[in-house]
Amino acid sequence: GAVVSQHPSWVICKSGTSVKIECRSLDFQATTMFWYRQFPKQSLMLMATSNEGSKATYEQGVEKDKFLINHASLTLSTLTVTSAHPEDSSFYICSAGDRGYRYGYTFGSGTRLTVV
Amino acid sequence: SQQGEEDPQALSIQEGENATMNCSYKTSINNLQWYRQNSGRGLVHLILIRSNEREKHSGRLRVTLDTSKKSSSLLITASRAADTASYFCATDLGAAGNKLTFGGGTRVLVKP
Repeated sequence: GAVVSQHPSWVICKSGTSVKIECRSLDFQATTMFWYRQFPKQSLMLMATSNEGSKATYEQGVEKDKFLINHASLTLSTLTVTSAHPEDSSFYICSAGDRGYRYGYTFGSGTRLTVV
Repeated sequence: SQQGEEDPQALSIQEGENATMNCSYKTSINNLQWYRQNSGRGLVHLILIRSNEREKHSGRLRVTLDTSKKSSSLLITASRAADTASYFCATDLGAAGNKLTFGGGTRVLVKP
Protein backbone atom coordinates (compact mmCIF):
# COMPACT_ATOMS: atom_id res chain seq x y z
CA GLY A 1 0.00 0.00 0.00
CA ALA A 2 0.89 3.66 -0.20
CA VAL A 3 3.32 4.89 2.44
CA VAL A 4 4.36 8.38 3.45
CA SER A 5 7.57 8.64 5.43
CA GLN A 6 7.75 11.69 7.70
CA HIS A 7 10.94 12.86 9.40
CA PRO A 8 11.94 13.68 11.99
CA SER A 9 9.46 12.04 14.34
CA TRP A 10 10.37 14.55 17.02
CA VAL A 11 12.57 17.61 17.24
CA ILE A 12 13.51 20.11 19.93
CA CYS A 13 14.78 23.48 18.81
CA LYS A 14 15.63 26.83 20.33
CA SER A 15 13.45 29.88 19.89
CA GLY A 16 14.38 31.82 16.81
CA THR A 17 15.76 28.90 14.86
CA SER A 18 14.19 27.16 11.87
CA VAL A 19 13.12 23.57 11.61
CA LYS A 20 12.46 21.55 8.48
CA ILE A 21 10.06 18.62 8.36
CA GLU A 22 10.11 16.24 5.41
CA CYS A 23 7.44 14.00 3.97
CA ARG A 24 8.29 11.49 1.28
CA SER A 25 5.91 9.29 -0.63
CA LEU A 26 7.64 5.95 -0.98
CA ASP A 27 5.65 4.08 -3.60
CA PHE A 28 3.39 6.58 -5.26
CA GLN A 29 3.50 10.05 -6.69
CA ALA A 30 2.24 12.61 -4.19
CA THR A 31 0.57 15.08 -6.50
CA THR A 32 -1.03 16.86 -3.57
CA MET A 33 0.31 17.25 -0.04
CA PHE A 34 -1.65 18.52 2.91
CA TRP A 35 0.00 19.83 6.06
CA TYR A 36 -1.83 19.76 9.40
CA ARG A 37 -1.02 20.77 12.93
CA GLN A 38 -2.52 19.23 16.00
CA PHE A 39 -2.44 20.53 19.55
CA PRO A 40 -2.70 18.06 22.46
CA LYS A 41 -6.09 16.38 22.70
CA GLN A 42 -7.38 18.41 19.79
CA SER A 43 -8.22 17.72 16.21
CA LEU A 44 -6.15 18.22 13.09
CA MET A 45 -6.26 21.69 11.63
CA LEU A 46 -5.32 22.08 7.99
CA MET A 47 -2.52 24.56 7.50
CA ALA A 48 -1.92 24.42 3.78
CA THR A 49 -2.34 22.44 0.60
CA SER A 50 0.41 22.10 -1.96
CA ASN A 51 0.43 20.69 -5.44
CA GLU A 52 3.67 19.56 -7.00
CA GLY A 53 5.38 22.40 -8.77
CA SER A 54 2.97 25.05 -7.53
CA LYS A 55 2.87 27.45 -4.64
CA ALA A 56 1.06 26.22 -1.57
CA THR A 57 -2.41 27.44 -0.68
CA TYR A 58 -2.60 28.45 2.95
CA GLU A 59 -5.64 28.33 5.18
CA GLN A 60 -6.91 31.52 6.70
CA GLY A 61 -4.82 32.58 9.67
CA VAL A 62 -1.74 30.58 8.73
CA GLU A 63 1.32 32.75 8.09
CA LYS A 64 2.86 31.70 4.79
CA ASP A 65 6.14 33.43 5.58
CA LYS A 66 6.45 31.53 8.82
CA PHE A 67 5.45 28.10 7.54
CA LEU A 68 7.32 27.62 4.29
CA ILE A 69 6.16 24.74 2.15
CA ASN A 70 8.12 23.31 -0.74
CA HIS A 71 6.73 20.64 -3.02
CA ALA A 72 9.28 20.58 -5.80
CA SER A 73 8.98 16.90 -6.65
CA LEU A 74 6.29 14.26 -6.78
CA THR A 75 7.84 12.36 -3.89
CA LEU A 76 8.97 15.06 -1.49
CA SER A 77 7.34 17.94 0.33
CA THR A 78 8.88 19.94 3.15
CA LEU A 79 7.49 22.24 5.81
CA THR A 80 9.93 24.70 7.34
CA VAL A 81 8.93 26.46 10.54
CA THR A 82 10.93 29.67 10.50
CA SER A 83 11.93 31.71 13.53
CA ALA A 84 10.22 29.21 15.77
CA HIS A 85 8.50 30.34 18.95
CA PRO A 86 7.30 28.21 21.87
CA GLU A 87 3.71 28.65 20.66
CA ASP A 88 4.70 26.80 17.48
CA SER A 89 5.22 23.68 19.57
CA SER A 90 2.77 21.19 18.19
CA PHE A 91 2.34 17.93 16.32
CA TYR A 92 2.67 18.39 12.57
CA ILE A 93 1.29 15.77 10.18
CA CYS A 94 1.42 15.54 6.41
CA SER A 95 -1.02 13.74 4.18
CA ALA A 96 -0.54 12.93 0.52
CA GLY A 97 -2.72 12.01 -2.38
CA ASP A 98 -1.85 11.05 -5.91
CA ARG A 99 -3.71 12.19 -9.01
CA GLY A 100 -7.15 10.68 -8.67
CA TYR A 101 -6.57 9.75 -5.03
CA ARG A 102 -6.24 6.08 -5.93
CA TYR A 103 -4.87 5.32 -2.47
CA GLY A 104 -7.03 7.85 -0.70
CA TYR A 105 -5.19 10.09 1.73
CA THR A 106 -2.00 8.62 3.15
CA PHE A 107 -0.76 10.18 6.35
CA GLY A 108 2.75 10.49 7.66
CA SER A 109 3.50 9.43 11.22
CA GLY A 110 3.78 13.00 12.42
CA THR A 111 6.49 15.23 13.89
CA ARG A 112 6.41 16.42 17.49
CA LEU A 113 8.00 19.90 17.53
CA THR A 114 9.04 21.42 20.84
CA VAL A 115 10.43 24.93 20.82
CA VAL A 116 12.32 25.90 23.97
CA SER B 1 -12.70 25.74 10.87
CA GLN B 2 -13.85 22.28 11.80
CA GLN B 3 -16.59 20.87 9.68
CA GLY B 4 -17.46 18.04 12.01
CA GLU B 5 -18.43 17.76 15.62
CA GLU B 6 -18.02 14.45 17.36
CA ASP B 7 -19.57 13.02 20.44
CA PRO B 8 -18.81 11.82 22.89
CA GLN B 9 -15.46 13.51 23.32
CA ALA B 10 -14.32 10.55 25.41
CA LEU B 11 -15.55 7.02 25.92
CA SER B 12 -14.44 4.36 28.39
CA ILE B 13 -15.62 0.79 27.97
CA GLN B 14 -14.71 -2.74 28.95
CA GLU B 15 -13.13 -5.16 26.52
CA GLY B 16 -15.83 -7.00 24.60
CA GLU B 17 -18.32 -4.14 24.71
CA ASN B 18 -19.33 -2.11 21.70
CA ALA B 19 -18.23 1.48 21.20
CA THR B 20 -20.34 3.98 19.30
CA MET B 21 -19.33 7.48 18.35
CA ASN B 22 -21.12 10.07 16.29
CA CYS B 23 -20.10 12.79 13.89
CA SER B 24 -22.16 15.69 12.64
CA TYR B 25 -21.20 18.04 9.85
CA LYS B 26 -22.50 21.23 8.35
CA THR B 27 -22.30 21.21 4.55
CA SER B 28 -22.95 18.77 1.75
CA ILE B 29 -20.19 16.24 1.31
CA ASN B 30 -18.73 13.96 -1.33
CA ASN B 31 -17.70 11.37 1.22
CA LEU B 32 -16.99 10.97 4.91
CA GLN B 33 -14.04 9.08 6.30
CA TRP B 34 -13.12 7.70 9.69
CA TYR B 35 -9.58 7.58 10.98
CA ARG B 36 -7.86 6.17 14.05
CA GLN B 37 -4.93 7.83 15.78
CA ASN B 38 -2.86 6.17 18.45
CA SER B 39 -1.30 8.59 20.90
CA GLY B 40 1.44 10.66 19.30
CA ARG B 41 1.17 8.87 15.98
CA GLY B 42 -0.16 9.50 12.51
CA LEU B 43 -3.61 8.67 11.28
CA VAL B 44 -4.76 5.32 10.00
CA HIS B 45 -7.62 5.26 7.51
CA LEU B 46 -10.43 3.02 8.66
CA ILE B 47 -13.32 3.39 6.30
CA LEU B 48 -14.79 5.71 3.66
CA ILE B 49 -18.48 6.08 3.02
CA ARG B 50 -19.75 7.97 0.00
CA SER B 51 -22.64 10.39 0.10
CA ASN B 52 -24.88 7.94 -1.76
CA GLU B 53 -24.19 5.12 0.70
CA ARG B 54 -26.03 4.59 3.95
CA GLU B 55 -24.06 1.87 5.67
CA LYS B 56 -20.71 0.22 5.31
CA HIS B 57 -18.92 -2.58 7.14
CA SER B 58 -15.27 -3.47 7.54
CA GLY B 59 -14.43 -6.24 9.95
CA ARG B 60 -15.64 -5.15 13.39
CA LEU B 61 -16.42 -1.65 12.13
CA ARG B 62 -19.79 -0.44 11.02
CA VAL B 63 -20.33 3.06 9.68
CA THR B 64 -23.64 4.71 8.91
CA LEU B 65 -24.31 7.93 7.08
CA ASP B 66 -27.49 9.99 7.18
CA THR B 67 -27.11 12.86 4.74
CA SER B 68 -30.51 14.29 5.65
CA LYS B 69 -29.32 14.76 9.22
CA LYS B 70 -25.73 15.43 8.17
CA SER B 71 -24.47 12.82 10.59
CA SER B 72 -22.48 9.62 10.69
CA SER B 73 -21.76 7.02 13.30
CA LEU B 74 -18.92 4.58 13.84
CA LEU B 75 -19.58 1.38 15.74
CA ILE B 76 -16.76 -0.83 16.92
CA THR B 77 -18.08 -4.21 17.97
CA ALA B 78 -16.47 -6.57 20.49
CA SER B 79 -13.85 -3.99 21.39
CA ARG B 80 -10.31 -4.93 22.30
CA ALA B 81 -7.69 -3.16 24.37
CA ALA B 82 -5.82 -2.50 21.11
CA ASP B 83 -8.77 -0.39 19.95
CA THR B 84 -7.77 2.26 22.50
CA ALA B 85 -7.13 5.35 20.40
CA SER B 86 -8.67 8.59 19.21
CA TYR B 87 -11.14 8.33 16.37
CA PHE B 88 -11.78 11.16 13.94
CA CYS B 89 -14.33 11.68 11.24
CA ALA B 90 -13.29 13.73 8.25
CA THR B 91 -15.40 15.15 5.49
CA ASP B 92 -14.39 15.50 1.87
CA LEU B 93 -16.45 18.15 0.18
CA GLY B 94 -15.32 16.98 -3.23
CA ALA B 95 -14.47 20.50 -4.26
CA ALA B 96 -11.20 21.41 -5.94
CA GLY B 97 -8.33 20.35 -3.74
CA ASN B 98 -10.17 17.47 -2.07
CA LYS B 99 -9.04 18.63 1.34
CA LEU B 100 -10.32 16.85 4.40
CA THR B 101 -11.87 18.66 7.32
CA PHE B 102 -11.67 16.82 10.61
CA GLY B 103 -14.05 16.57 13.51
CA GLY B 104 -12.96 17.05 17.09
CA GLY B 105 -12.37 13.36 17.72
CA THR B 106 -13.49 10.82 20.27
CA ARG B 107 -10.93 9.38 22.68
CA VAL B 108 -11.75 5.75 23.32
CA LEU B 109 -10.31 3.78 26.20
CA VAL B 110 -10.91 0.05 26.20
CA LYS B 111 -10.14 -1.46 29.56
CA PRO B 112 -8.94 -5.07 29.66
